Amino acid sequence: EVVLTQSPGTLSLSPGERATLSCRASQSIISSYLAWYQQKPGQPPRLLIYGASTRATGIPERFSGSGSRTDFTLTISRLEPEDFAVYYCQQYYSSHSFGQGTKLQIK
Amino acid sequence: QVQLVQSESELKKPGASVRLSCKASGYIFTNYALNWVRQAPGQGLEWMGWINTNTGNPTYARAFTGRYVISLDTSINTTYLQISSLKPEDSAVYYCARGGFGDDFWGQGTLVTVSS
Repeated sequence: EVVLTQSPGTLSLSPGERATLSCRASQSIISSYLAWYQQKPGQPPRLLIYGASTRATGIPERFSGSGSRTDFTLTISRLEPEDFAVYYCQQYYSSHSFGQGTKLQIK
Repeated sequence: QVQLVQSESELKKPGASVRLSCKASGYIFTNYALNWVRQAPGQGLEWMGWINTNTGNPTYARAFTGRYVISLDTSINTTYLQISSLKPEDSAVYYCARGGFGDDFWGQGTLVTVSS
């Protein structure tokens, strides 16, 4: 079973700043099978990135994904007020699993 | 447009069973797998399993074997999640999601509350 560990648990930043979220896998996974989601209270998750670095339809360019093997990163280049939410990584290489989430909150 | 519409909230007593539904529209149903994901109150996302919409074969996460059954009815483009012998800790929002390169479309979620 692939365990995904996200860090930090909570990230406090201001609008306009850059956010860097990390996702580490317990074993190497093929990049094609790593996704990132955003979830706001009371809403289902929204797919942001798949294949580690491909933005889903309609996702703004300020969101980018990178990484390979066991270390993956979601970067939000310049935070907008609507970006403050919880972010999850997911692997679907070996079965499926989610990380525990990173809460991005306003500083 | 692609839509996944889930059944309404459920309030059940411990020991009872519940069947949740997820109706897909706006795409060819058998072209995509369907996943089920659980989210307990204030907690993260847990992948429960998925169903191959071509074969009807379900696959379950290790933590979701025994009391959980994922099924489908291709004639009405619907997948089901049945949970038996409900426990208070089954109280959560249950989501269905279309699988592919990431889960690109999600249902609105069904809240299940298990309480005596």
